[in-house]
Order: sequence, then structure tokens, then C-alpha cells
Amino acid sequence: AQSVTQLDSQVPVFEEAPVELRCNYSSSVSVYLFWYVQYPNQGLQLLLKYLSGSTLVKGINGFEAEFNKSQTSFHLRKPSVHISDTAEYFCAVSQRTGNQFYFGTGTSLTVIP
Amino acid sequence: DTAVSQTPKYLVTQMGNDKSIKCEQNLGHDTMYWYKQDSKKFLKIMFSYNNKELIINETVPNRFSPKSPDKAHLNLHINSLELGDSAVYFCASGLAAYNEQFFGPGTRLTVL
Repeated sequence: AQSVTQLDSQVPVFEEAPVELRCNYSSSVSVYLFWYVQYPNQGLQLLLKYLSGSTLVKGINGFEAEFNKSQTSFHLRKPSVHISDTAEYFCAVSQRTGNQFYFGTGTSLTVIP
Repeated sequence: DTAVSQTPKYLVTQMGNDKSIKCEQNLGHDTMYWYKQDSKKFLKIMFSYNNKELIINETVPNRFSPKSPDKAHLNLHINSLELGDSAVYFCASGLAAYNEQFFGPGTRLTVL
């Protein structure tokens, strides 16, 4: 079975500052990794995904994430956040066979003006 | 134009009632899912259907029954609603071969 740990439940950060949201996973098999964003009162939207290839993945809205196999991590970063980035961020993992997703508990990012 | 749609968006009902939530996707995907998001934002998969066949059925009360009349629809029927069923329910769809899921806007269910 897979599990996903998002170490920070809440992250406040000032506007235009950099941010890193941490995600670690446990799995005995190869996985695919995802970050989703949930704006208030909305559904989840895919930010980026790692399937294979380059370990640095770029997504929408200036976000990027780096897959680190040895540390089983997939941290999300943005060099300069905006007020509009305030949202809940979910890390997810799925096995390469089968299509069941396992989500982390989410990180609430609050951008302070 | 909406890729994954759910109705209703809000549902307020009394304990003991039976209710349904509908989900439709127009993306041509072969797999559809139901998730429950609790008050702490934790997302847990409930069911998954691939080409109208149930492939994931997590431990949920049998009061919850999914129904897939065709590949584009996956409805969720809930019998004898309880207070603990209050949550946001998300429908999602995807292509099994591509391992990506597209989410609907959610249905906020409140049981009084």
C-alpha cells in the first residue's frame, strides 16, 4: 500500500516570497506523483505530475516540483508567490499499475499581503 | 463545456433520508471515481468504475451505492443518511492508461 505525508498542514508566507510545500511518500513499487490545488469552494485542479524522465517537473502558475527517489520526496516550490496562490495543496501518488490515487492530508497555503 | 459536472452543488437534508448525487463527464474517459472530503480536508476514495464495472470499493457503509448507467455517468446514492455523512463529495474521471484524474466541483452534503 502507498501512503503520502505532507509534513506541514499550514504554511503562511508573505507575498513575493518563495515557498516550498513538502511531500514524502512510501511505496515498495514505482509510482507516479502529482500535486493538485484546491481553491476555496472548488474542486481539485492538477498543478503538475511526474510520470518519468526529468526529475524536475514544471507545472502551471509558476510551480515546479522535484522528484527525489532516494528520499522518496516530491516537494513543491514556487520562487515568488501571489495572493491568488492562497489555496489547499494536495500531494498524491498512484502505482504504475492500476489507477488508485492516494492523497496526502493537504497543506493550506496562505499568502499574506 | 464543463468537463466533469456534479449536481447538486449543495444538498441539505434530514437524517434518515435517501439522496442521490449525479456525476457526468464529457471527456471520453473510461474510469470514474467518487471521493469523500471530510471537514479536515482529508480526501478518501470511495469507489472507482472502469467501463461501467466496479474496480475499487473501499470500506464504506453499504448505505452508499454507486450506479454507472454508462461510461459518462457515475451516480452516488446514499440511503438512511447519518450526521457523519456530512462532507464534500467529489466525482473524478480519468483514463486508466494515463493515470491522471480530473475532478468535478464537488457536492457539499449537510445532514441535519
